[in-house]
Amino acid sequence: QKEVEQNSGPLSVPEGAIASLNCTYSDRGSQSFFWYRQYSGKSPELIMSIYSNGDKEDGRFTAQLNKASQYVSLLIRDSQPSDSATYLCAVIPGNMLTFGGGTRLMVKP
Amino acid sequence: DVKVTQSSRYLVKRTGEKVFLECVQDMDHENMFWYRQDPGLGLRLIYFSYDVKMKEKGDIPEGYSVSREKKERFSLILESASTNQTSMYLCASGGWGNEQFFGPGTRLTVL
Repeated sequence: QKEVEQNSGPLSVPEGAIASLNCTYSDRGSQSFFWYRQYSGKSPELIMSIYSNGDKEDGRFTAQLNKASQYVSLLIRDSQPSDSATYLCAVIPGNMLTFGGGTRLMVKP
Repeated sequence: DVKVTQSSRYLVKRTGEKVFLECVQDMDHENMFWYRQDPGLGLRLIYFSYDVKMKEKGDIPEGYSVSREKKERFSLILESASTNQTSMYLCASGGWGNEQFFGPGTRLTVL
């Protein structure tokens, strides 16, 4: 079992809709969780971090963490074509960041 | 803002050549990392360093070595490049137990 799992997609949503990206992790002791966005041919860019259960909002992005169920999600409201990218979930189970395989999001005009 | 820079965006080398990829960070981070990324395989950790002159193998160290002589600089060395080392190489830096910040990447092609 991989430590951090994501559906590879592609996840296709229409412009203006809410995109929901999910991630599960195996180490129950994980304390820090991050979302990175990676455009095609570019490097990953940190967009959200979350450390405690619940929701964290930043503009159109909301990260949600549920440690009991061991999942973290990213919601993108009012999705735009410019949000089309691969989204990487990353978790720190010990002291090293561990990445999921990423979910490719396509926002169609 | 954290800045991580890599010496080249694109590089073309021939089989058997020695290749140096350099990475510099300006945030005084203890840790620096080298990954390669290939379609369908995600990010794979090659080596990381948690201090000057210290290094640890990641998941796929074979065919690579690293050097960290100064805190801000971390070099990846391909001793004898092979075609299966054609990939996107990403450098990152970060503090202990914390997020990582990536450089722009080097797309290496080995002919």
